[in-house]
Amino acid sequence: GQSLEQPSEVTAVEGAIVQINCTYQTSGFYGLSWYQQHDGGAPTFLSYNALDGLEETGRFSSFLSRSDSYGYLLLQELQMKDSASYFCAVCTNAGKSTFGDGTTLTVKP
Amino acid sequence: KAGVTQTPRYLIKTRGQQVTLSCSPISGHRSVSWYQQTPGQGLQFLFEYFSETQRNKGNFPGRFSGRQFSNSRSEMNVSTLELGDSALYLCASSPGGLGGAKNIQYFGAGTRLSVL
Repeated sequence: GQSLEQPSEVTAVEGAIVQINCTYQTSGFYGLSWYQQHDGGAPTFLSYNALDGLEETGRFSSFLSRSDSYGYLLLQELQMKDSASYFCAVCTNAGKSTFGDGTTLTVKP
Repeated sequence: KAGVTQTPRYLIKTRGQQVTLSCSPISGHRSVSWYQQTPGQGLQFLFEYFSETQRNKGNFPGRFSGRQFSNSRSEMNVSTLELGDSALYLCASSPGGLGGAKNIQYFGAGTRLSVL
C-alpha cells in the first residue's frame, strides 16, 4: 500500500518562506504532486515532480528525492491568500494517486 | 474548456437510503477518480475509472460503487447510507495513461452529502 506523512499544521508570517515536507512509502512510485485547498474549495494542482530535483513555478517550488522517498513544497514571499491546506500525493505506475492528510498553513500579518 | 462538473452540489439523505452522485470530467480526460473528504481529514481514495473500467480501488466497503460511461462521465453510488458517510465527495479527472502530466488531477467542486 501507500502511506504519506506531512506535518498537520504550519504557521508563518507574511513575506516569509515556509517549507512543507512530505515523506512517503509506496510501491510502484511514479511521481509526487502537490495540491492546494482553500476552505470550502476544491483542491487545485500546484506542482509535480517525477525526477529528483527542484521544480520552480513562481513563488512555489517543489523538490523530490526518490532515494530518500522525500519531497517538499517551498512557498516564498508568503501572502495572506496562501493560507490553505496543502496536500502531497504520490502517483503510482498503476495510475493511482494517494493523498496525505494535508498541512494547514496559516499566514499571519 | 469546461472544468470538472459534479452534481448535485448538496444532498441530504437519511440513514438506510441510497444516493447517486454524478461527475462530468474535462473533455478528453479518460480517467475519473473519486475521493471522500471529512472535516480535518485528507482525501480518502475510493476508486478510479479509466476507459469504463475500474482500474484502482481504495479500502471502502462494498456499499460504495461506481461506474464510468463511454463518454467518460462517471457516477458513484452509496447504498444503505450510514451517518459516517456524511462527507464531501470529490471527483477528479485526468488525461489518464501513465506518467507525468497525464496523472495530474483536476477536481470538481464536490458534492456535500449529509446523512441524518
